[in-house]
Amino acid sequence: QKEVEQNSGPLSVPEGAIASLNCTYSDRGSQSFFWYRQYSGKSPELIMSIYSNGDKEDGRFTAQLNKASQYVSLLIRDSQPSDSATYLCAVNYRYTGNQFYFGTGTSLTVIP
Amino acid sequence: DVKVTQSSRYLVKRTGEKVFLECVQDMDHENMFWYRQDPGLGLRLIYFSYDVKMKEKGDIPEGYSVSREKKERFSLILESASTNQTSMYLCASGGGGSNQPQHFGDGTRLSIL
Repeated sequence: QKEVEQNSGPLSVPEGAIASLNCTYSDRGSQSFFWYRQYSGKSPELIMSIYSNGDKEDGRFTAQLNKASQYVSLLIRDSQPSDSATYLCAVNYRYTGNQFYFGTGTSLTVIP
Repeated sequence: DVKVTQSSRYLVKRTGEKVFLECVQDMDHENMFWYRQDPGLGLRLIYFSYDVKMKEKGDIPEGYSVSREKKERFSLILESASTNQTSMYLCASGGGGSNQPQHFGDGTRLSIL
């Protein structure tokens, strides 16, 4: 069973703070990792992908991957109220082609 | 930009009806997926397809079937709709290779009465 675990939250941070979202996965055969943002009533939107150990930055977002510890995280700097959403972690395993395994998501609220 | 288009945003059907949900992508992606999303349960994979006329069962295929006659189109069929199939249905597509992300359509909120 391939599992992807996220803290469901809700996570609340004040505007301007750093929001830290975490995801752990069970299978060391994992190859690719993705973060999606989902606003209430909308579909998931890709915001970051990461494949190698270390950090990857894109604007206010930083994805961090540690394959030895089997976790991937998303940092949101200078959080804005518009960042309030559910964040989904997705993992792609080496032998399942393009099939993803999703966490259940972390709900983030940024308080003005 | 990738465009994944689902035929309906909202749909209301009656129990026992045969329901068709259509999905079209414009990026020549090999892979297409159907998920349903329910509160507290996250995204659950129903069926997916790696190629035309190919289909694979996901985690919850019971009560559903799919059709992929053309590369750009992937249809989900509820053979005999039941109230427990009321849900948000999401279609996604992705390129070949494990590093390719999936891109989602806007979703169809289906209510079975």
